Amino acid sequence: AQKVTQAQTEISVVEKEDVTLDCVYETRDTTYYLFWYKQPPSGELVFLIRRNSFDEQNEISGRYSWNFQKSTSSFNFTITASQVVDSAVYFCALGGWQAGTALIFGKGTTLSVSS
Amino acid sequence: NAGVTQTPKFQVLKTGQSMTLQCAQDMNHEYMSWYRQDPGMGLRLIHYSVGAGITDQGEVPNGYNVSRSTTEDFPLRLLSAAPSQTSVYFCASSEGRLAGGYEQYFGPGTRLTVT
Repeated sequence: AQKVTQAQTEISVVEKEDVTLDCVYETRDTTYYLFWYKQPPSGELVFLIRRNSFDEQNEISGRYSWNFQKSTSSFNFTITASQVVDSAVYFCALGGWQAGTALIFGKGTTLSVSS
Repeated sequence: NAGVTQTPKFQVLKTGQSMTLQCAQDMNHEYMSWYRQDPGMGLRLIHYSVGAGITDQGEVPNGYNVSRSTTEDFPLRLLSAAPSQTSVYFCASSEGRLAGGYEQYFGPGTRLTVT
């Protein structure tokens, strides 16, 4: 079965702190894709990143970075020097042949950044 | 491009009423999906379509119907609304099967309340 677990339900930090959002996945597919989406208070889903299972290189984009480790089935997301605008719900999702056309979403982590 | 559009943005229904949530995309995407988002549950797939005339059930299809007569449109019908269908509904489209790693583009969502 395919499953995505985001164990952190809510995280609160103060501006400028670094924060890591955890994502652990389960799949029997050998080829699969991992995604992160951001849902700000306005409600839309904003695509952040997609990684495939063959590319374990970490990625950095501005204040965002992602750590993909197949050995621990994890795809963690770190925000460096957090800002109030980072306050949102963050979803990790998994796509692969087992899921077909669906993305399997985790339950989300609500990040609150205070000034 | 408008991307994925959904109407209405908000809707209140009484138990037993029926209605159609509209979804349209202008990217010529073959794959379209409907998800519902409930608090603490992440997003769950209701129905999906792999092309005009082809639809299939997702994880939570009961109480919903879909059809796909054109590539652009993928309406979701609630046959007899129930309070358990109170949720935020997202329509999504992608260029290809998610198993191929294509990004899924989400609409802005429809917030439905059934009283």
